[in-house]
Amino acid sequence: ETGVTQSPTHLIKTRGQQVTLRCSSQSGHNTVSWYQQALGQGPQFIFQYYREEENGRGNFPPRFSGLQFPNYSSELNVNALELDDSALYLCASSWGGVQNTGELFFGEGSRLTVL
Amino acid sequence: QKEVEQDPGPLSVPEGAIVSLNCTYSNSAFQYFMWYRQYSRKGPELLMYTYSSGNKEDGRFTAQVDKSSKYISLFIRDSQPSDSATYLCAMSVFSGGYNKLIFGAGTRLAVHP
Repeated sequence: ETGVTQSPTHLIKTRGQQVTLRCSSQSGHNTVSWYQQALGQGPQFIFQYYREEENGRGNFPPRFSGLQFPNYSSELNVNALELDDSALYLCASSWGGVQNTGELFFGEGSRLTVL
Repeated sequence: QKEVEQDPGPLSVPEGAIVSLNCTYSNSAFQYFMWYRQYSRKGPELLMYTYSSGNKEDGRFTAQVDKSSKYISLFIRDSQPSDSATYLCAMSVFSGGYNKLIFGAGTRLAVHP
């Protein structure tokens, strides 16, 4: 059983640029969630994808967008980067549907620095 | 007021000590309660998972939930230097057709030999 994998692990961007982060879910999981973790804070929910559709979103602006592919992998896109977007971006997978208990399995994260 | 409150520490204890980590919450709709461990510059790792009031034990770890007081705890017995990490409490709420986790800010724990 493979765990959640994310790429890239680190990247540096400048203000106004765009970034794409990638995630492969754990084998057997069909739901992917993305979280943003600022330094010294707990992760904050960005959105969740289930069966290739966004089915939940936190308090993040529309410049944060995502995709889920038929193999359940996912992308997080952030446009018009701002300094405050500097954070660890975490992907988590789970088994969705009515049996979902909220138990999440996280990847190692992608650390984004915006200069 | 945040939905989940957690003392950020840091907490420093000697090896072998019993560690108590706590979170309080305000949302009665929370259904599931979790503790994650996060080593520096790594992703969170699920440690304990509970859904009812009471205690759940797994090795040196005990998770306690008191829904009437909206209070959860994680106890670590015989703490080891390898337990040095940030411990995040997380609570799950099912709303709008999906589950999401609300995390505390995390408590940094240092166990020194």
